[in-house]
Amino acid sequence: AQSVSQHNHHVILSEAASLELGCNYSYGGTVNLFWYVQYPGQHLQLLLKYFSGDPLVKGIKGFEAEFIKSKFSFNLRKPSVQWSDTAEYFCAVRDPVREKLTFGTGTRLTIIP
Amino acid sequence: DAGVIQSPRHEVTEMGQEVTLRCKPISGHDYLFWYRQTMMRGLELLIYFNNNVPIDDSGMPEDRFSAKMPNASFSTLKIQPSEPRDSAVYFCASSLAQGYNEQFFGPGTRLTVL
Repeated sequence: AQSVSQHNHHVILSEAASLELGCNYSYGGTVNLFWYVQYPGQHLQLLLKYFSGDPLVKGIKGFEAEFIKSKFSFNLRKPSVQWSDTAEYFCAVRDPVREKLTFGTGTRLTIIP
Repeated sequence: DAGVIQSPRHEVTEMGQEVTLRCKPISGHDYLFWYRQTMMRGLELLIYFNNNVPIDDSGMPEDRFSAKMPNASFSTLKIQPSEPRDSAVYFCASSLAQGYNEQFFGPGTRLTVL
């Protein structure tokens, strides 16, 4: 069975700091990888996704993620965070054959102005 | 498109009552998913449908939970009888057929069982 680990449960940063949120998955086959964001009181929105090709994926709002197959990782990065990035971030993996998404437990990001 | 629509947005009920949550997926989407989000367990997939047919309900906690999709534009998640531990936010999501497609989430229903 697939599983996703997000080791950082709560991250607190100052504005303009650089961000990296960890995501590791366990699954031996081909996977699709996603990062979703949930702003306070809102529903999940897609930040970026990886299916194949260039392992460095650019998303919305200046976010990017790098797929490192040998490490089973898909870490999310942003060079300079803003207060509006305060949200919860979820990494997810999907077996493309089964269509089922498995989410990590999420990382709460708090940006201090 | 209006996106995935869920109703009600908030539901407060008493233990033992029946609760019905509703979802309208994005038009043309073939897959519909029901998730539950709690502080303790995070986001859990409860069940998903493909072309109105339930494909995987292994995440449904117990027999008190049931889900239906009578047509391509409507699905319900029912809890009968409800219990306080069912308190959570329930999300519905939909996506196009298999392939390079993401799931689009609805705004969720916040359920509180007293």
